[in-house]
Amino acid sequence: EDQVTQSPEALRLQEGESSSLNCSYTVSGLRGLFWYRQDPGKGPEFLFTLYSAGEEKEKERLKATLTKKESFLHITAPKPEDSATYLCAVGRGSNYKLTFGKGTLLTVNP
Amino acid sequence: DVKVTQSSRYLVKRTGEKVFLECVQDMDHENMFWYRQDPGLGLRLIYFSYDVKMKEKGDIPEGYSVSREKKERFSLILESASTNQTSMYLCAAKGGATEAFFGQGTRLTVV
Repeated sequence: EDQVTQSPEALRLQEGESSSLNCSYTVSGLRGLFWYRQDPGKGPEFLFTLYSAGEEKEKERLKATLTKKESFLHITAPKPEDSATYLCAVGRGSNYKLTFGKGTLLTVNP
Repeated sequence: DVKVTQSSRYLVKRTGEKVFLECVQDMDHENMFWYRQDPGLGLRLIYFSYDVKMKEKGDIPEGYSVSREKKERFSLILESASTNQTSMYLCAAKGGATEAFFGQGTRLTVV
């Protein structure tokens, strides 16, 4: 059975304090690992897709990396507007079914 | 960008009612999904569809059914709404190996 575990469940940072979120996964036949950002009361917003171990993607203060067992979302010098829940999902199978982790709630204080 | 539109942001229904949640995408994506999201449980897959009239059960299909008569539209049906179906419902569309795009969500309350 596919499993996606995100840690920590919640993270509180001061503005400018860099950190990382973890997503560990167990899936047969990985067809992509996806990171999303979700603001309260809204649908998830796509951030990154990673397909193979060693791959990295960057966008502004965010950088996602992938190994064979886990992915990290690194946040460099975060700002209060980076506060959100960050979701990780894995895709598998011919229909690319997505399985999500429970998310990390990030709060960045000014 | 793909746009996914859910018919309602908020719904309040009575126990036992038949409820329809509609989702429309504006691109030609084969795969569409319905999730529910609850605090502490994350997003859980209810059903997905990989083509018109094709559907597959997700992890929690009990009490739900779906319909996909046209490629752009995917409907979630609560046959007889119950209070434990109070939740945020999210629809997504995905084209093969690409990312999934989500709608804005429907917050359903069953009283």
